[in-house]
Amino acid sequence: SQTIHQWPATLVQPVGSPLSLECTVEGTSNPNLYWYRQAAGRGLQLLFYSVGIGQISSEVPQNLSASRPQDRQFILSSKKLLLSDSGFYLCAWRLAGGGETQYFGPGTRLLVL
Amino acid sequence: QKEVEQDPGPLSVPEGAIVSLNCTYSNSAFQYFMWYRQYSRKGPELLMYTYSSGNKEDGRFTAQVDKSSKYISLFIRDSQPSDSATYLCAMSGRGAQKLVFGQGTRLTINP
Repeated sequence: SQTIHQWPATLVQPVGSPLSLECTVEGTSNPNLYWYRQAAGRGLQLLFYSVGIGQISSEVPQNLSASRPQDRQFILSSKKLLLSDSGFYLCAWRLAGGGETQYFGPGTRLLVL
Repeated sequence: QKEVEQDPGPLSVPEGAIVSLNCTYSNSAFQYFMWYRQYSRKGPELLMYTYSSGNKEDGRFTAQVDKSSKYISLFIRDSQPSDSATYLCAMSGRGAQKLVFGQGTRLTINP
């Protein structure tokens, strides 16, 4: 069966510091991978998605970037965090070439102070 | 106008009640419809998946799709306090790489 991991679970960072959030998927090959942000009481905002190694599509221009160095690894980064980057970050995967359903990880709660 | 509209609530009902959650959409190309349940501070989990129109039942949960009205529903029978969560609808067209989500409805079942 497939499993998706995210870490860290919680992160408190000062404004201006760098960020690196990691997501890994087990039990499947060549998945589509997604990064979402969810502000408190709000819906899901798609940030990036990837259909393969090194292939990143950005949905919202902002202070974040994403990379996919390995087939089942997806990283969300920032060089300098802003207060507005606070939120709940969710990684999701989907079978490539079939199946529309996405499966979510446990999320990372980021607080920028 | 958003592609998917979902009343954010909050919705509060007594235990044992039938709950009806709904989403409307504007894109007639949508064919795949999902409902996710999200507990506080957790990632969304897939609850129901429906292709095209019709009903699908799983235990106390029934998902309904009316493509002619561009309207989908999730019914929860015999609601329990453990059903208290935010429910998100999501949908996509054939071959689409992305899902379009509703804002989510926060539901509380009172014992």
